[in-house]
Amino acid sequence: QVSLRESGPALVKPTQTLTLTCTFSGFSLSTSGMCVNWIRQPPGKALEWLARIDWDDDKYYSTSLKTRLTISKDTSKNQVVLTMTDMDPVDTATYYCARVRVGAGGDRAFDIWGQGTMVTVSS
Amino acid sequence: DVQMTQSPSSVSASVGDRVTISCRASQGISSWLAWYQQKPGKAPKLLIYAASSLQSGVPSRFSGSGSGTDFTLTISNLQPEDFATYYCQQSNNFPPFTFGPGTTVDIK
Repeated sequence: QVSLRESGPALVKPTQTLTLTCTFSGFSLSTSGMCVNWIRQPPGKALEWLARIDWDDDKYYSTSLKTRLTISKDTSKNQVVLTMTDMDPVDTATYYCARVRVGAGGDRAFDIWGQGTMVTVSS
Repeated sequence: DVQMTQSPSSVSASVGDRVTISCRASQGISSWLAWYQQKPGKAPKLLIYAASSLQSGVPSRFSGSGSGTDFTLTISNLQPEDFATYYCQQSNNFPPFTFGPGTTVDIK
């Protein structure tokens, strides 16, 4: 059974760096076509894609946030880590990780999501 | 970046109704369009991928159509559990993988 779970601090102060971990099971990020994404959702607002890391270590970032984001993976631990620097109150949101499969047989859709972790940015 | 728009932003409907939600991309995205359902306090759930393919386990009353720039999600015979917010999302031109602003289906 495929599952993902986000973890990280619930509260960060402005200007601090946020580090979130996505721990997954039921698939391997060393398998061709597997990718893990980070997506966020401010309270009452729409979903915003942030970053993606692929099985071959290719990385993609939001155009507007790329200078603040870093995504990495630890295949042996089945984890993907997102760091976001210089946090601001507007970054208050629920942060989700989600799997996507690309290439032959892949549907390019976020088929499995974690439950999300709420992060509040406040002094 | 590809911009996604949805209409309407909200719709009031009754159980048994047929509901249609539109999604438009600012440029052609072939058929790389997905639809998600989100209920309050929950993660989004994939309903439709590749514009018209039903995700495993999703009821057949959900259907998708379209290609290029114009897409539609149809819910036939609306059920009580279908009252939620629906998002479209493109994965043709990236980054970024853009979502639409959402359409809320509520009870009339």
